[in-house]
Amino acid sequence: EVQLAESGGGLIRPGGSLRISCAASGFTVSNNYMSWVRQAPGKGLEWISVIYGGDITYYADSVKGRFTISKDASKNMLYLQMNSLRAEDTAVYYCARNLPPENHFDSWGQGTLVTVST
Amino acid sequence: SYVLTQPPSVSVAPGKTARITCGGNNIGGRSVHWFQQKPGQAPVLVIYYDNERPSGIPERFSGSNSGNTATLTISGVEAGDEADYYCQVWDTASGDHFYVFGPGTKVTV
Repeated sequence: EVQLAESGGGLIRPGGSLRISCAASGFTVSNNYMSWVRQAPGKGLEWISVIYGGDITYYADSVKGRFTISKDASKNMLYLQMNSLRAEDTAVYYCARNLPPENHFDSWGQGTLVTVST
Repeated sequence: SYVLTQPPSVSVAPGKTARITCGGNNIGGRSVHWFQQKPGQAPVLVIYYDNERPSGIPERFSGSNSGNTATLTISGVEAGDEADYYCQVWDTASGDHFYVFGPGTKVTV
């Protein structure tokens, strides 16, 4: 059974950094495409980053240059390093698996809340 | 970047049919995926590739896509179908890769 579990969220001050994690089971992260999707309180879903095979990455304009997606094959983990955090980055962050060829999100974790505030 | 539109809300009586639209420029030329999200829960894929149902999703859920509108149809609506529904497409037109979500539709039963 495919399972994803995010961790590492919390309260962080504006301008700070945080790394959140996603533990995968039932499949191999290194052989799959993976994304991060976030949802601000009371708002809709916003895709923010994807990592393909060969570690090719793409980012939404809202996080480009501040966030970095990565994966660790040995631990079967996905990560999101978030720097220069802003209040508008406050959201629940979900990791999700993308299935080719159209890369739809077939499995999601339960999310981890990141709050950026003084 | 590509923009998707959805009605903010749809209200439907139990047992009736709910239709949720997703608008986009020539969206019929793209594959559309639909997600259901209940309060406090993660999204769940209910339709992919316009009209394919993942295992475990009831046959009451179906999809179509043509022209500038994709539609998620829920037949014989049940109280448990009350949720937010999001459409989504993959956009590579600019050479970059974006995964675009619609703003979501709240379905009230």
